[in-house]
This record gives sequence, structure tokens and C-alpha cells, in this order.
Amino acid sequence: DSGVTQTPKHLITATGQRVTLRCSPRSGDLSVYWYQQSLDQGLQFLIQYYNGEERAKGNILERFSAQQFPDLHSELNLSSLELGDSALYFCASSVGQDQGLYEQYFGPGTRLTVT
Amino acid sequence: GENVEQHPSTLSVQEGDSAVIKCTYSDSASNYFPWYKQELGKGPQLIIDIRSNVGEKKDQRIAVTLNKTAKHFSLHITETQPEDSAVYFCAASAGFSGGYNKLIFGAGTRLAVHP
Repeated sequence: DSGVTQTPKHLITATGQRVTLRCSPRSGDLSVYWYQQSLDQGLQFLIQYYNGEERAKGNILERFSAQQFPDLHSELNLSSLELGDSALYFCASSVGQDQGLYEQYFGPGTRLTVT
Repeated sequence: GENVEQHPSTLSVQEGDSAVIKCTYSDSASNYFPWYKQELGKGPQLIIDIRSNVGEKKDQRIAVTLNKTAKHFSLHITETQPEDSAVYFCAASAGFSGGYNKLIFGAGTRLAVHP
């Protein structure tokens, strides 16, 4: 158990809908990262927040957005969902903001299915 | 842009044999190289990492080697066991706008250990 929690575990929704995924980082960690993993694909970095502020953006679609709250939990919002958005979404956390200095610990993921 | 190539994509070994997974990176400034193990239905788990000031690191049956000149690093698993069966991801830090680093992940290696 990494100490990173994600809810829900599974989510099934229809095209065009909007969903929110939630992540709580490990105690003491200030950075939260979101990754997308499609079927048999690698990990695609979406976005990073550090202590409430956006720090880095990866291949995140404009239909997706995220935020980190004062208690450091984070939410990833996915809107106007398409079939291709079906994937595993992982949250990770680390103590600091530099991805080259601090270990990232991953949560168990949320499996999103868009029908 | 920055890239991490990982080989092989699949690896099948007999229990007790050794397994080696290799990664190459493109950013000569990379200084942090973690390895993750992802079991079916779970999030990636950090199993070992190495920094650029070290050439080799061991943890029980797992070792990682780094060749900065050739820009490649490898994961070695000795005396493999069925529970080592999983997908393994390598990653390397790379420079990012804003003056800090991001992690670039390889595409993954599916390791199967047969009893």
C-alpha cells in the first residue's frame, strides 16, 4: 500500500458526460500527479500540482482539468467524454516538486469506461 | 524531444532464471532513473531507483545498473519467481521548462515467469 488513495475504483459513464476523479496524496506529500494509461499502453503524464498550484503539464486535453485543494487532495475533471477516454487514471504523489529529485508513489487507479 | 526506449516489450523466463530489461534515454542531463512494477489491476509500485552519481544499486534479488556514457540503464532480476510476473516500467528524468525535471516513462516490459 503506497498511501495514495483514489476514488472511485471504477466508473462507467456515457459519451458526452462529465466525471470527477479524486486523489489523496501520502501524508506529507505536497505534489500530486495525474497519469493516463490506456489498454496495453504506457503511462502518459497529464498534469502536476504542487501545494495547490499547477507545476507542469503533459499531454492533457483541453476537455480535462484538475485542481489541488488546500488539504492537498486533488481532483481530475474529465468532460465531454469520448470512447477513447476509456482508460486507467492514476494519481501519484511526492514530497517535492522536482520529478528528478523525489520519488513518486502511485495510487491504485480509477478505471474509467465510457460507453 | 526527450525519449525513453525500453526493451524487450515482452520477456518470458523459467522460474529461477535471470531477467534483464534495458532502457535508453536521450537527455544527457538525466540524473534520476526509477523502476516500477505494475501487477494486474494495481498501480505502479516503485521497486528500485538509481541516481547519476551511482553506477549500480542492489536490493536483494533486484539490481539496477547505469551507464551514463552510453545513456542506458538496466534492471536485473535474479532467481526469478512466479510472483515477479508483471509489467515493468523504467523512467528517466528530463529537463522541463520552469527549471526543474519531469519523468519520462518507457513503454513497459511484460515479464512472465513460468514455474
